[in-house]
Amino acid sequence: AQSVSQHNHHVILSEAASLELGCNYSYGGTVNLFWYVQYPGQHLQLLLKYFSGDPLVKGIKGFEAEFIKSKFSFNLRKPSVQWSDTAEYFCAVNVVGFQKLVFGTGTRLLVSP
Amino acid sequence: GAVVSQHPSRVICKSGTSVKIECRSLDFQATTMFWYRQFPKQSLMLMATSNEGSKATYEQGVEKDKFLINHASLTLSTLTVTSAHPEDSSFYICSARVGQGGTEAFFGQGTRLTVV
Repeated sequence: AQSVSQHNHHVILSEAASLELGCNYSYGGTVNLFWYVQYPGQHLQLLLKYFSGDPLVKGIKGFEAEFIKSKFSFNLRKPSVQWSDTAEYFCAVNVVGFQKLVFGTGTRLLVSP
Repeated sequence: GAVVSQHPSRVICKSGTSVKIECRSLDFQATTMFWYRQFPKQSLMLMATSNEGSKATYEQGVEKDKFLINHASLTLSTLTVTSAHPEDSSFYICSARVGQGGTEAFFGQGTRLTVV
C-alpha cells in the first residue's frame, strides 16, 4: 500500500545537537515532498518543499532536506537545534497529478536547554 | 503565505447534536479544500477532498452521511458532523491549495471538537 513513513516517533536532543528525521514514501510516480512543523498549540506550518531541481532544499529556520529518489527518502536535517525547535514534524507527499497530500505519522521532537 | 481561517477553534456539543465547522481561504480562491482529522499524538488523516460546486470525495472508511461537506463558494468549505458521538471528539483541520496540483497547501488553525 502507498504510504509515508517516519521511523522516529519521539526524539530528544540537547540544544546544539544535530538533527536528522527520516521520511520514506512508497509511491511510484513523480512526487512533491513537504515537511511541516506543528508547534505546541499552533497550526501546521510549512518548513520546506521539494518539487524538482536540486534535491537538497533549504527551508526556514535553518532546516534542510535531501531528496534521494533511489531510496524514496526525504530526510529533514538541522545542524544545531534550539529549544524553540521543540515541536512535531510531519513529512507529507503529494503524487503529481493527484490532489491528495498524505502525511507521515509525525515525529515529536523535544529539545532540552 | 496564503491564509486559511477555520472557525470555531473549539466547540463542545452534546451527544446527538450536529456541529458545523467553517474553513475559509481569506486571500485566495480555493477550488479544492481538504479536511483532516488528527487524533491525539497521531498524524493527520485525510477525511475528504472538498470540490467547489461538486460533491466531496471521501476517503475509504469515512461516513459521508455523518461528515457532510459543502463547498458552496471558492472561499468557503464547511464540515458538518451530524449526530455527534463522543468518539467523534477529535481535532479537525482544513487546508487549501493555491492553484492546482502539487503546490503548497495552507492549513487552518484547526477545530477541537469535544462531544459530551
